[in-house]
Amino acid sequence: GAVVSQHPSRVICKSGTSVKIECRSLDFQATTMFWYRQFPKQSLMLMATSNEGSKATYEQGVEKDKFLINHASLTLSTLTVTSAHPEDSSFYICSARPPDRDSETQYFGPGTRLLVL
Amino acid sequence: GQNIDQPTEMTATEGAIVQINCTYQTSGFNGLFWYQQHAGEAPTFLSYNVLDGLEEKGRFSSFLSRSKGYSYLLLKELQMKDSASYLCAVRDSNYQLIWGAGTKLIIKP
Repeated sequence: GAVVSQHPSRVICKSGTSVKIECRSLDFQATTMFWYRQFPKQSLMLMATSNEGSKATYEQGVEKDKFLINHASLTLSTLTVTSAHPEDSSFYICSARPPDRDSETQYFGPGTRLLVL
Repeated sequence: GQNIDQPTEMTATEGAIVQINCTYQTSGFNGLFWYQQHAGEAPTFLSYNVLDGLEEKGRFSSFLSRSKGYSYLLLKELQMKDSASYLCAVRDSNYQLIWGAGTKLIIKP
């Protein structure tokens, strides 16, 4: 199956700093990538849909100025959590969908665990 | 609104069979997915149904009835490693995935 990587896998930062998370599709070109957040014991919550070469589409309630998304190439999307606060501590997961939108699935990265002190 | 319902938690015995149900109300339908998620890890793909009927894949099977807005995931010969959360997701008319809250499956020896 297709492989999606995420980096870093774990990050601890101080409140007020910014953190960048990278999501890469390793063996296919992904025109669309998705960013999710998952709090403990809760389901995935879609934050935004990232489209290569255009602005990301944010879900209701997600601050676009706080969660900056850049999908600069067909294999890389980045999520930057700006001025992070302890309540931003969460598990952030990206996924990538192959170009065929009828593709059976989207492929998930391994996730990034963010802890803001 | 769009809604996906699945039980919060289920318990089953090693070696037994368990069925996890999922009902959905979405704007349009372009496939239903089941994912497995172990604690602290990202989801992994289990199955995909777009037509009515049963799809079998080893110990796991998934069933879909579009007219009833209903699916189930059937796990046979349960193993301790099957302890995980199982997420049902439906792709709507906009090709967006709508996620259920997940069913935590606990396997007891």
